[in-house]
Amino acid sequence: QLQLQESGPGLVKPSETLSLTCAVSGASISRSGYYWGWIRQPPGKGLEWIGNIYYSGSTNYNPSLKSRVTISVDRSKNQFSLKVNSVTAADTAMYHCARRANYGSGDYFDYWGQGTLVTVSS
Amino acid sequence: DIQLTQSPSFLSASVGDRVTITCRASQGISTYLAWYQQKPGKAPKFLIYTASTLQSGVPSRFSGSGSGTEFTLTISSLQPEDFASYYCQQVNSYPLTFGGGTKVDIK
Repeated sequence: QLQLQESGPGLVKPSETLSLTCAVSGASISRSGYYWGWIRQPPGKGLEWIGNIYYSGSTNYNPSLKSRVTISVDRSKNQFSLKVNSVTAADTAMYHCARRANYGSGDYFDYWGQGTLVTVSS
Repeated sequence: DIQLTQSPSFLSASVGDRVTITCRASQGISTYLAWYQQKPGKAPKFLIYTASTLQSGVPSRFSGSGSGTEFTLTISSLQPEDFASYYCQQVNSYPLTFGGGTKVDIK
């Protein structure tokens, strides 16, 4: 059974860099055909796609965050990471990692981590 | 960017009710649409893909329909475990976008 688990600091100071890791168990992150993504949800609000990385290493980012976001993969540890720099209070959110898989017509987020709450505050 | 507008934002219903949620896309997305269910403090659960196909294990009381710009999620007979928030998501083009969500609450 595929499982994803986010980890990282729960509190980040304004202007600093938010760094999170998603550990994947039950499947290889290098297996062809899958994307690995990040989605966030501010308290009491809806879902926002941040970006994803394909098994090959290619990335796609939300233009609203693109200049501040980096997603990378560590194949040796079977995990992928998110960095968001120059954070502000608007980056306070629950951050979820998820797998995106092909279902014949489109690639969908089928497995999600429970999420980790990141608060940006001094 | 493709905007997804869900309606209603909030819905109050009773066990056994038939519930319908609408998701409208700002431009045509064929059937590249998913529906997710989210309960408080939990990760979203993948319910439906390609607008109308139920993910394995999802009860048959859930159904999805639509193509192009208008989509619906229907729960034929609301059960206690269905009280949650529901989100649509398009995967037609980047950036991937979600609807604003519909919270289904107990009447």
